[in-house]
Amino acid sequence: NAGVTQTPKFQVLKTGQSMTLQCAQDMNHNSMYWYRQDPGMGLRLIYYSASEGTTDKGEVPNGYNVSRLNKREFSLRLESAAPSQTSVYFCASSAPGTANAHFGDGTRLSIL
Amino acid sequence: QQPVQSPQAVILREGEDAVINCSSSKALYSVHWYRQKHGEAPIFLMILLKGGEQKGHDKISASFNEKKQQSSLYLTASQLSYSGTYFCGTVSGANNLFFGTGTRLTVIP
Repeated sequence: NAGVTQTPKFQVLKTGQSMTLQCAQDMNHNSMYWYRQDPGMGLRLIYYSASEGTTDKGEVPNGYNVSRLNKREFSLRLESAAPSQTSVYFCASSAPGTANAHFGDGTRLSIL
Repeated sequence: QQPVQSPQAVILREGEDAVINCSSSKALYSVHWYRQKHGEAPIFLMILLKGGEQKGHDKISASFNEKKQQSSLYLTASQLSYSGTYFCGTVSGANNLFFGTGTRLTVIP
């Protein structure tokens, strides 16, 4: 019963460093999402993938890239981290359009 | 595309009722409701798939007015365990899921 697994759970970076956040789901869902949540704020959609091989920008895509490696995995990359990207990042997956989204436990990312 | 939620925050005493509203500028295929406890991931509460649909479990229910592009979450006889931030999520096309800014609910004894 793994559901959605995110790695790492915590990370501290220096400005300008790069890193990739990993997300994998075992529910055979087509849709996957990356959100960021700033303190006291709501969830903002960074990128989403409606199916394997497709990705689309959400509300706040600048500074990020994504890869839908296969149906299970959807990674988020920060090429040159900036302090404004300090946030909690959630990955989620769902069956197309109508079913509930399942969230991972989040990655707490701090950029100094 | 982000739906708008109101109120932003509400404080209740145990046993009181609350309504949280969610509205969108786009036609909606479905509306989702989630609750998030501090430091945790959001947890799914319910989904409404068509206009006029109402759902509920325990003392939490929701309605979906497709024409008005609105949904409301009703919490009755609130319990301490209801505290958290409630998010509505809307799907309006291309299978993307956008969340509102959240409503922070605090239930006090």
